[in-house]
Amino acid sequence: SAVISQKPSRDICQRGTSLTIQCQVDSQVTMMFWYRQQPGQSLTLIATANQGSEATYESGFVIDKFPISRPNLTFSTLTVSNMSPEDSSIYLCSVATLYEQYFGPGTRLTVT
Amino acid sequence: QKEVEQDPGPLSVPEGAIVSLNCTYSNSAFQYFMWYRQYSRKGPELLMYTYSSGNKEDGRFTAQVDKSSKYISLFIRDSQPSDSATYLCAMIGDNDMRFGAGTRLTVKP
Repeated sequence: SAVISQKPSRDICQRGTSLTIQCQVDSQVTMMFWYRQQPGQSLTLIATANQGSEATYESGFVIDKFPISRPNLTFSTLTVSNMSPEDSSIYLCSVATLYEQYFGPGTRLTVT
Repeated sequence: QKEVEQDPGPLSVPEGAIVSLNCTYSNSAFQYFMWYRQYSRKGPELLMYTYSSGNKEDGRFTAQVDKSSKYISLFIRDSQPSDSATYLCAMIGDNDMRFGAGTRLTVKP
């Protein structure tokens, strides 16, 4: 298994600002994912961030809005840029080992 | 039509009941099937995963996959209040992973 921590656990931000979410894993993993979970909805994949390559974004998500860094095999950041109230959500990072996938505790973001 | 449909809607059962949670899917390329449990204000945790059709049992939990019907189930026996959570099905295939919307389960003492 993998133990994943995220910072911050929650934040309240003003419209137009940016927030960077950090994800730390206790072991080296190749595949790391960022998800968004809006109230009452399931997980939506934002992007896949593999170390050593550019992040791959899903339809509806762009790098200018959600830049991702993956400097090594245990760490990644997701930035939510130029935030609007529609970005209020829980953001989760996740890692995969073969066909087991583990999730961080999430970052609860509220944009006012 | 969504690729993964999760049924039923919010579910409330008495302690000790058998719970059945279900998902249907449309993509026949899905081969690995998972169930996650998500407690309030926590990230999802992997409960069970199965490959292809068949049953897999782990304690009070049984995962069942019927690929011919594109239907998967999670059964919880002797449900406990600590089982109260949202349960999400997920499936992988053809470099794609999809989640169901989740079923919120409440087990009342």
